[in-house]
Amino acid sequence: QIQLVQSGPEVKKPGASVKVSCKASGYTFTDFFIHWVRQAPGQGLEWMGSIHPNSGDTDYAQKFQGRVTMTRDTSITTAYMELNRLRSNDTAAYYCARGVTALTSFAYWGQGALVTVSS
Amino acid sequence: DIQMTQSPSTLSASVGDRVTITCRASQSVHNRVAWYQQKPGKAPKLLIYKASKLETGVPSRFSGSGSGTEFTLTLSSLQPDDFATYSCQQYDDDPGTFGQGTKVENK
Repeated sequence: QIQLVQSGPEVKKPGASVKVSCKASGYTFTDFFIHWVRQAPGQGLEWMGSIHPNSGDTDYAQKFQGRVTMTRDTSITTAYMELNRLRSNDTAAYYCARGVTALTSFAYWGQGALVTVSS
Repeated sequence: DIQMTQSPSTLSASVGDRVTITCRASQSVHNRVAWYQQKPGKAPKLLIYKASKLETGVPSRFSGSGSGTEFTLTLSSLQPDDFATYSCQQYDDDPGTFGQGTKVENK
């Protein structure tokens, strides 16, 4: 069955970086986009960007340009999202999701990784 | 970016009730709208895509309609497992954007 399994919760100080992983299984990793969506406590969902594992091509939301980097390691079918210069309002659950295209709905999601930014 | 505005923000209903949630887009998104159900601490679950297509395995009491700028998610008869937050998403224009969510709570 298709699964996306994410890394565990993180606690970071303001100004630090965080790298969240998303291990895919149950399908051909290089055939589908991996998208990253975050949700701050009590807030709505926010798309951050996507990567195509085959080419490594990325598309970032303008809000995160210059602060986010999405990568992948096809040998271990894992995608990564690194967010730099963390602020307290980056505290959120970060989800990976599989996408058929660059602009799509999401039928498969990771379980989420809670990132807490606090001094 | 296209704004997706959901109403209401909170809805109180009882088991067996018919429930309707609306999502309005700031510009036409054609039929490229999805609806998700989310429970606390869990990832969203896709219910509807392309405005009205039921995702495999989703009960038929869920239905979606609309096109252009106005979309509706309907639960024909609310079940105990349906108390959750529902969000719409447009994926017609980059970046894809979500509504702020509608919490369906037990009256």
